[in-house]
Amino acid sequence: AQSVAQPEDQVNVAEGNPLTVKCTYSVSGNPYLFWYVQYPNRGLQFLLKYITGDNLVKGSYGFEAEFNKSQTSFHLKKPSALVSDSALYFCAVRDIPMNRDDKIIFGKGTRLHILP
Amino acid sequence: EPEVTQTPSHQVTQMGQEVILRCVPISNHLYFYWYRQILGQKVEFLVSFYNNEISEKSEIFDDQFSVERPDGSNFTLKIRSTKLEDSAMYFCASSEGTSGRTGQFFGPGTRLTVL
Repeated sequence: AQSVAQPEDQVNVAEGNPLTVKCTYSVSGNPYLFWYVQYPNRGLQFLLKYITGDNLVKGSYGFEAEFNKSQTSFHLKKPSALVSDSALYFCAVRDIPMNRDDKIIFGKGTRLHILP
Repeated sequence: EPEVTQTPSHQVTQMGQEVILRCVPISNHLYFYWYRQILGQKVEFLVSFYNNEISEKSEIFDDQFSVERPDGSNFTLKIRSTKLEDSAMYFCASSEGTSGRTGQFFGPGTRLTVL
């Protein structure tokens, strides 16, 4: 069965510093991997995805994520954090399907707090 | 930019009452989903819907739940007899193709409070 782990409940980073939000996954086949962001009182917003190809994926708002197959990780990164990046971040995974099943499994979320 | 919309933003109901949560997916999308997020917990998959039928549902999606696409634009989630533990944020999502190819796009959510 597929699963996602986000080991950190909260990450604190000073504004202007690089940030990393960790994610590891477990799937039976090859994964589709996603990052979503949830701002207060808002829905989930798609940031980026990895399907195949280049292990470094670039997404919205200057975020990127690196797929590491040997470590089964898909950490979210940004070179220079902004206060406005403060939000809840969800890593998600989907097995490449053998059928139509299309659900995404979410991690528990990591709250990112950027300190001014 | 097209977006998924959901109504109402907040629904308060008494235990045992029926509720219908409404969603308008992005217009050219073909795959539709419902997820829920109990306060302080992670987002959980409920159901996926394609070609006018359920393609997958989780163990949460029991006989009290149903989904419908009554017309060309709306996608609804009905809870027949609400329980206290149904209180959660319910998110609708849609995707143009299977989500691995295109990603799922989420609505702002409906906060359901069951008293």
